[in-house]
Amino acid sequence: DTEVTQTPKHLVMGMTNKKSLKCEQHMGHRAMYWYKQKAKKPPELMFVYSYEKLSINESVPSRFSPECPNSSLLNLHLHALQPEDSALYLCASSQDSQGSGYGYTFGSGTRLTVV
Amino acid sequence: RKEVEQDPGPFNVPEGATVAFNCTYSNSASQSFFWYRQDCRKEPKLLMSVYSSGNEDGRFTAQLNRASQYISLLIRDSKLSDSATYLCVVSLNTGGFKTIFGAGTRLFVKA
Repeated sequence: DTEVTQTPKHLVMGMTNKKSLKCEQHMGHRAMYWYKQKAKKPPELMFVYSYEKLSINESVPSRFSPECPNSSLLNLHLHALQPEDSALYLCASSQDSQGSGYGYTFGSGTRLTVV
Repeated sequence: RKEVEQDPGPFNVPEGATVAFNCTYSNSASQSFFWYRQDCRKEPKLLMSVYSSGNEDGRFTAQLNRASQYISLLIRDSKLSDSATYLCVVSLNTGGFKTIFGAGTRLFVKA
């Protein structure tokens, strides 16, 4: 079982809907990440939170809004998405965001379909 | 030039074969290096960190050559269960810490 838990596993939403993806880890990691992965492509970084503060936003459209309520939780709020936003959304965590060399632990992802 | 480039693949090998994956990175400021494995429709999982001294974990050996900016992964005695996509990952600090994934190399191990 993965130590990073993501919910829901699957989500179908309309373009006018508002939904949220949730991610939780209890490994004491201080950095958490959102990645987007399209089929047959590598994961693309969206956001980095370090010590509960947003440290990197990779020019992600404002229809994606991250939130880090505490050191264990990471949310991604979705609003007015487009069909091309359909993808696997992966949450990851690491001990810190400064190249500790320990790598990331990924959650199993939320498979999002926008209709 | 891509920041992290991998063999395009796919690699089709018989069980028991030895297979090597290569990866190059363009930024000499890169600090940490990893190989991840991703099964179809699953999340990436850390396979190995890669160190300049080289490291081995059972049938898997990873090497890093900082001078050539080159990383490799060797799998000996391939198993059917090794079939997956192997992602080369590089972390670097460019005024903000970033992790960059290579495009991945697909491996098919056949009986």
